[in-house]
Amino acid sequence: KAGVTQTPRYLIKTRGQQVTLSCSPISGHRSVSWYQQTPGQGLQFLFEYFSETQRNKGNFPGRFSGRQFSNSRSEMNVSTLELGDSALYLCASSLSGADYGYTFGSGTRLTVV
Amino acid sequence: AQRVTQPEKLLSVFKGAPVELKCNYSYSGSPELFWYVQYSRQRLQLLLRHISRESIKGFTADLNKGETSFHLKKPFAQEEDSAMYYCALRASQGGSEKLVFGKGTKLTVNP
Repeated sequence: KAGVTQTPRYLIKTRGQQVTLSCSPISGHRSVSWYQQTPGQGLQFLFEYFSETQRNKGNFPGRFSGRQFSNSRSEMNVSTLELGDSALYLCASSLSGADYGYTFGSGTRLTVV
Repeated sequence: AQRVTQPEKLLSVFKGAPVELKCNYSYSGSPELFWYVQYSRQRLQLLLRHISRESIKGFTADLNKGETSFHLKKPFAQEEDSAMYYCALRASQGGSEKLVFGKGTKLTVNP
């Protein structure tokens, strides 16, 4: 079956712009989580969505937001981009939560210049 | 507080040697631990989870609640084991869940 698909793979944006990243989970998976991966901080939890509801949010500013649609596809949005937002953004899906482990996408590499 | 610590950023061993990647955690609830691996230019993937008590690619990990550890071990390392390894803790709170990751250990297996 198809894995977790993230689009686009690469993005270059200018400071102050906003960006939207997309994630299509494995069919049947209702939980979608987003993580930011940087060399300095490693993998940091952004938020988790389940059945279109945000269940949990990490310690990130309000510029980071997301949503989930009825087909479980999810988007995350970052407004007023800063240089420090440059990172690999990973999406992970699971049936209902973390108990069986997540399946990760390949990520979107965001570069802010 | 929920925390996962991987004390070694880099670990280098020779092919055929035993390898142990250390992971310690801090969590007030009942812990569920995972090991994830990221090979070069590949996506992050689940290697094993403690509740399964399984061995994947020769790797095993035992949860030691007394020492709050979940070290990953393999008796004979192979060159294809070279990768980034992340230990992760499932943290649950009020019906929501997340994985808390350690900073990772880069394993290099030399020929």
